[in-house]
Formats: sequence, structure tokens, C-alpha cells
Amino acid sequence: QQQVKQSPQSLIVQKGGIPIINCAYENTAFDYFPWYQQFPGKGPALLIAIRPDVSEKKEGRFTISFNKSAKQFSLHIMDSQPGDSATYFCAASASGANNLFFGTGTRLTVIP
Amino acid sequence: DSGVTQTPKHLITATGQRVTLRCSPRSGDLSVYWYQQSLDQGLQFLIQYYNGEERAKGNILERFSAQQFPDLHSELNLSSLELGDSALYFCASSALRQAGTEAFFGQGTRLTVV
Repeated sequence: QQQVKQSPQSLIVQKGGIPIINCAYENTAFDYFPWYQQFPGKGPALLIAIRPDVSEKKEGRFTISFNKSAKQFSLHIMDSQPGDSATYFCAASASGANNLFFGTGTRLTVIP
Repeated sequence: DSGVTQTPKHLITATGQRVTLRCSPRSGDLSVYWYQQSLDQGLQFLIQYYNGEERAKGNILERFSAQQFPDLHSELNLSSLELGDSALYFCASSALRQAGTEAFFGQGTRLTVV
């Protein structure tokens, strides 16, 4: 059973566009929601993370929007660049838990 | 560079064989996590160790086992290998026992079972 559901599976945008990746969860005990970026041949790297006490968090061109009542969160990439082409994973974990539950990933391609 | 080192990078072996994957965590990190990444399943949590003790188990098969040594490096042992075990295996480390702190991933070991 997939604890975190992620969509879309793949996404193609033009340079400068704003790709949006969505994730949903069911476990209300989740209280930490990170996004990881993975380039081919590399391990996932933490991009940005949010806790449910805020509805939005920005770091540079990356923004997480969080909707606690809907149990959904999303990643927006402003002014996307070809270098942003990678696979993005959302994840979630609960306090006191010891592991992250990952979504199935979104392969983003930014066309020059 | 995340500071997490995994060896080997690639491994090709036959069905029925046993292999050992090795992970050295970031300096100072006490928690080590193992994940399996396959095309259709994404990243699946296998097992976690904290300071030498097993702390959590995920979707780890009985044919798989792991341990963390006193120097904090960890090994994942995969036995009686099947074609379906072909995947990328990632190790991650973090400073604290709980999730909710940043986990740093190694570059993975690509296992191919033929």
C-alpha cells in the first residue's frame, strides 16, 4: 500500500514554466514532508521540507504548498531551468517514526 | 557529495547467489537506513539501524538481512537472489534516530541478477 501518492508520473515544461507536482497522504500522524531531487546515477538529495504548522515554504525557486485539511502538499518550481530536469520524490514521516515513506516519483523535463 | 559512501557501485550476479552491499555513513551520523529503488515501486524502506541496533523494519524480505558495526558502517546482505531483486539499493544516514531530520543518501549500488 502506497502511503504517499504522487502525480504526475512525468512532466515536460518549457524553460521558464512553473511545473507543479502533487502528493497526497492518508496517515494523519505524518508531520514532516520533504521533497527530494534525484539526478540520473545519483542518490536522492533533500531539496526542501515542510512541517504542517505552516501552509507554504519557499527556498529560492522552490515552493512547497501544504493543505493539512486535504492532506495534500505540492512542489512548485518557479522559472524552471533545464538544469532542474530530474526526478522529484515527495516523502512523509511521523514523529517518533524512523523512516520516510516516498511517493513514486515524477520525472521532470525542462525544455530549453 | 553527500558524505555517504556505498560500495560497490555496480554488481552483477546470478540467481541463487548471495551478495553484500556496504555503506559508510556521514561522519557523526548514527542512523543508517537502507532503501530499495525499482522502476515500478519507487523508494521502498527496508531497514534502519541506530548506533548498532536495529530500529525499524520495512518491506524487507526474509532473504535479506543487515547489520551495523561498531564503527557505524552498515552492510546489507541479500541471499538466494531472484531476478526480481534487481534494483538500486540506497543507503542513507542521519544524525538523529527519528525521521524528520535530513537524511543524506549515498549514490547507490545497482544490483543486476541474471
